[in-house]
Amino acid sequence: NAGVTQTPKFRVLKTGQSMTLLCAQDMNHEYMYWYRQDPGMGLRLIHYSVGEGTTAKGEVPDGYNVSRLKKQNFLLGLESAAPSQTSVYFCASTDWNTEAFFGQGTRLTVV
Amino acid sequence: AQSVSQHNHHVILSEAASLELGCNYSYGGTVNLFWYVQYPGQHLQLLLKYFSGDPLVKGIKGFEAEFIKSKFSFNLRKPSVQWSDTAEYFCAVNGADTGRRALTFGSGTRLQVQP
Repeated sequence: NAGVTQTPKFRVLKTGQSMTLLCAQDMNHEYMYWYRQDPGMGLRLIHYSVGEGTTAKGEVPDGYNVSRLKKQNFLLGLESAAPSQTSVYFCASTDWNTEAFFGQGTRLTVV
Repeated sequence: AQSVSQHNHHVILSEAASLELGCNYSYGGTVNLFWYVQYPGQHLQLLLKYFSGDPLVKGIKGFEAEFIKSKFSFNLRKPSVQWSDTAEYFCAVNGADTGRRALTFGSGTRLQVQP
């Protein structure tokens, strides 16, 4: 049982480049989330999904897009990366009356 | 909107000392409460959770937390810390009565345990 898997684990981008982060969960959870973690700020919600085909904005959505075409996958896209998007990104999934399960994280550096 | 405050940003303790980390939340409805731990370079792992019932919750590795509804608090405790407890600790909350289920996190407390 893999839980929540994120790819890639590390990435360095140049300003203006694009990339997609993939999150996959095998627990049949309805809810999936993308967070970013920055020092001293905890985890902040970027976008989330309450089911296949649905997405919604979180706390800090600007500069990011998401898609949930399949229930088990939640993609986070950066169309034009900026240095302010240097962060550690965590995907999580959950369902009613369970805790959230987190992926291992993606460390992204934008230079 | 919900929010979480963790008042201790950095705590340094010696091994065998007792630990209490404060967590206060703001939310107008019924809440689920969580403490997560993040060891250096790793992802978040659940320490304990409160959904309903006994407000004193026991988690893994000897941690416990008490939900005090009147104080909007969910403080984390451990009677005797070990060097291996060195990590960052996050309190989190979600609304039990919403469809979004997303967690709102506090800013975290870095715990350093000295041998």
